[in-house]
Amino acid sequence: DSGVTQTPKHLITATGQRVTLRCSPRSGDLSVYWYQQSLDQGLQFLIQYYNGEERAKGNILERFSAQQFPDLHSELNLSSLELGDSALYFCASSFTGGTEAFFGQGTRLTVV
Amino acid sequence: ILNVEQSPQSLHVQEGDSTNFTCSFPSSNFYALHWYRWETAKSPEALFVMTLNGDEKKKGRISATLNTKEGYSYLYIKGSQPEDSATYLCAFGSGGGADGLTFGKGTHLIIQP
Repeated sequence: DSGVTQTPKHLITATGQRVTLRCSPRSGDLSVYWYQQSLDQGLQFLIQYYNGEERAKGNILERFSAQQFPDLHSELNLSSLELGDSALYFCASSFTGGTEAFFGQGTRLTVV
Repeated sequence: ILNVEQSPQSLHVQEGDSTNFTCSFPSSNFYALHWYRWETAKSPEALFVMTLNGDEKKKGRISATLNTKEGYSYLYIKGSQPEDSATYLCAFGSGGGADGLTFGKGTHLIIQP
């Protein structure tokens, strides 16, 4: 158990819908990262928050947004979903970029 | 956009043989270089975090080296075993530590009995 909790584990939804993925980081970790893993792709960095503030942005679509709350948990919001958004979404947390990141079990999103 | 390259993309190795693969990263604004092992149906798990040029780390049969001046790290596996089959990811940390980790696409290692 990495200490990073992601909910839900699985999500099936229809095109055009909106979903929210939740991540609770390890206790004490200030950084939260969101990654997407699609078929035949490695981990694609989406966005990072550090102590409540957006720190870095990767290939995140405009239809996607995220935030980190005062208690340091984070939510990734995906809207106007398309079939191509079907993927495994990982959340990871670390104390800083110099300390190892711990990954959650991922949320498997299927858009039908 | 930071560029972290891993090679080769995939690798088949005979059980018992040793192998190595490479991670290339920007040589400027370096903070840390991480290696992770990602097994099928599991989450990535950290192997090493290296911060100093010339760092060498070892865990059992797996070791890693770091050259921050030229921007590369090697991961070595000695005497490969079937349980070593996984995707090995490297990640580059910059910006004094508060910035995000940029992951490479990984090297997919398959150990053949």
